[in-house]
Amino acid sequence: QVQLVQSRAEVKKPGSSVKVSCKASGGTFSSYVFTWVRQAPGQGLEWMGGITPIFGTTNYAQNFQGRVTITADESTSTAYMELSSLRSEDTAVFYCARGPSSGYSYFASWGQGTLVTVSS
Amino acid sequence: EIVMTQSPATLSVSPGERATLSCRASQSVGSNLAWYQQKPGQAPRLLIYAASTRATGIPARFSGSGSGTEFTLTISSLQSEDFAVYCCQQYNKWPTFGQGTRLEIK
Repeated sequence: QVQLVQSRAEVKKPGSSVKVSCKASGGTFSSYVFTWVRQAPGQGLEWMGGITPIFGTTNYAQNFQGRVTITADESTSTAYMELSSLRSEDTAVFYCARGPSSGYSYFASWGQGTLVTVSS
Repeated sequence: EIVMTQSPATLSVSPGERATLSCRASQSVGSNLAWYQQKPGQAPRLLIYAASTRATGIPARFSGSGSGTEFTLTISSLQSEDFAVYCCQQYNKWPTFGQGTRLEIK
């Protein structure tokens, strides 16, 4: 069973960027899709995009196009999500999650979440 | 984008009773539907995938049904630890989630 451990909570100023990491242990890293999900306070889950390290391909949700960059470092089995031009509405918990295959599907493994607070 | 709509927003049920939660897709997603449970301060937990297959370690009181655009999650004989938020997700195209149903103690 894969374990996903995310980086710590962050406080950011409006207009800045944040980069959240997600380190995987157990299982093969490169063959699976790693995806990022945002959850604003009291709100539902919102898919942001994902990466398949073995192919080096990324896909982004339209709502985040141009502001989010998802990368992966196979040498450290770590996926990253960078969100730029932060605004107060981006205050949320960001989760990384992994599916059972190299395609986008359901998510059996989740990180613990990283709270990003955007405040001046 | 496929829009997922869950109903009701809040469901009040007594322990030991059955809970039935609904999820509707704006277009057919086949059986590419998952259900998650989320408790405060925790990450979502996969319950059901492929509309009706229980994930590893999920008790048999959780069951899923449906296909196409209409889906149901049923929890028979509610236990105290089942009171949480439940969310559906389609993965027929780019993933999208429903807004969740809060299951509370009556």
